[in-house]
Amino acid sequence: SQTIHQWPATLVQPVGSPLSLECTVEGTSNPNLYWYRQAAGRGLQLLFYSVGIGQISSEVPQNLSASRPQDRQFILSSKKLLLSDSGFYLCAWRGSGVSGNTIYFGEGSWLTVV
Amino acid sequence: SQKIEQNSEALNIQEGKTATLTCNYTNYSPAYLQWYRQDPGRGPVFLLLIRENEKEKRKERLKVTFDTTLKQSLFHITASQPADSATYLCVPNSGYALNFGKGTSLLVTP
Repeated sequence: SQTIHQWPATLVQPVGSPLSLECTVEGTSNPNLYWYRQAAGRGLQLLFYSVGIGQISSEVPQNLSASRPQDRQFILSSKKLLLSDSGFYLCAWRGSGVSGNTIYFGEGSWLTVV
Repeated sequence: SQKIEQNSEALNIQEGKTATLTCNYTNYSPAYLQWYRQDPGRGPVFLLLIRENEKEKRKERLKVTFDTTLKQSLFHITASQPADSATYLCVPNSGYALNFGKGTSLLVTP
């Protein structure tokens, strides 16, 4: 069966420090991968998605970046965090193509920038 | 630009009643629309998918309708229970980018 893992689960980072969140999917190949952010009391904001290795689409301008070095690995990064980057970050995957496949989410990463 | 609107206010209903949640979208032509449930501190979990050629879909106490002319989906929970309290999100599927509505918070009181 397919599983998705993301880490770390919680982190507290000072303003200006770098960030790296990692997500891996098991049990499937060529998934579509997604990073979302949810600020406190707000909705899910799509940050990046990827339909293949090295292919990244950005949905909103920001100081974050994403990379997909392997088929089932998706990394969210920042060189210098801002206070506004605080939030709940979720990685997600679904089957390849644009069909209505179910979206599966990781456990989430809580980021607090201080 | 594409927009998804869900009931902005929280929905409070009494146990046993039917909850009806609304999802309206603009500038989308979705082939599918999905509904998810999100509990605090967790990622959303899939509930139902309805295709553009389907008017209605049911699963146990859940029912979804999809009106592509009105660009609207309705999500119903019949015989609601306190355990149904959560935030419910809709996702029109059109292309690779998957944008969620902001969700409707449902509170079912005994």
